Amino acid sequence: QVQLQESGPGLVKPSETLSLTCTVSGGSVSSGSYYWSWIRQPPGKGLEWIGYIYYSGSTNYNPSLKSRVTISVDTSKNQFSLKLSSVTAADTAVYYCARDVRTAMAPDYWGQGTLVTVSS
Amino acid sequence: QSALTQPASVSGSPGQSITISCTGTSSDVGSYNLVSWYQQHPGKAPKLMIYEGSKRPSGVSNRFSGSKSGNTASLTISGLQAEDEADYYCCSYAGSRVFGGGTKLTVL
Repeated sequence: QVQLQESGPGLVKPSETLSLTCTVSGGSVSSGSYYWSWIRQPPGKGLEWIGYIYYSGSTNYNPSLKSRVTISVDTSKNQFSLKLSSVTAADTAVYYCARDVRTAMAPDYWGQGTLVTVSS
Repeated sequence: QSALTQPASVSGSPGQSITISCTGTSSDVGSYNLVSWYQQHPGKAPKLMIYEGSKRPSGVSNRFSGSKSGNTASLTISGLQAEDEADYYCCSYAGSRVFGGGTKLTVL
């Protein structure tokens, strides 16, 4: 069964860049059947889709975040990563990585999530 | 893209049925049969319950069902059980992805 695990700093200073990595086990990021997504959830609030990447490197981002987001994939390490620049307190959230089924356009397997706090 | 509209809360007694609505536009819910539903218990990651509007992943109870009419998708839970108490989110394809604001289900 596929498993996803987020990793990265839990505290980021305002105006800096948030960087997270998702390590996939039990499956391959090189599979043509899936996109690999990042989704976040501010404390006590709802889910917000950030974007996804395909193994080829093609990406699709949330228009509201597009200017600050970069998602990349490393097939040799079976990982994909998120960078969010110029962060503010509004970017404080639990960040989830997820496998996204291409045909269904739905994330089916999710990581446990990691809380990232933006604070000086 | 704007978030899909869900009721903030719904409630029901054990054994009853409830329905959660998810209203979008002709650019998302209305244009594609690609709505998914997620269950989230406190402190846990969301779990996929319905995809492509009405399909259940393996292992999800048949008490959960999905449907769509026009720009509104719905999730129905029949035979409510205590463990169904959770937050529920809809998600639609819209060229990208858009989530609903979430609905808190209380089992009385």
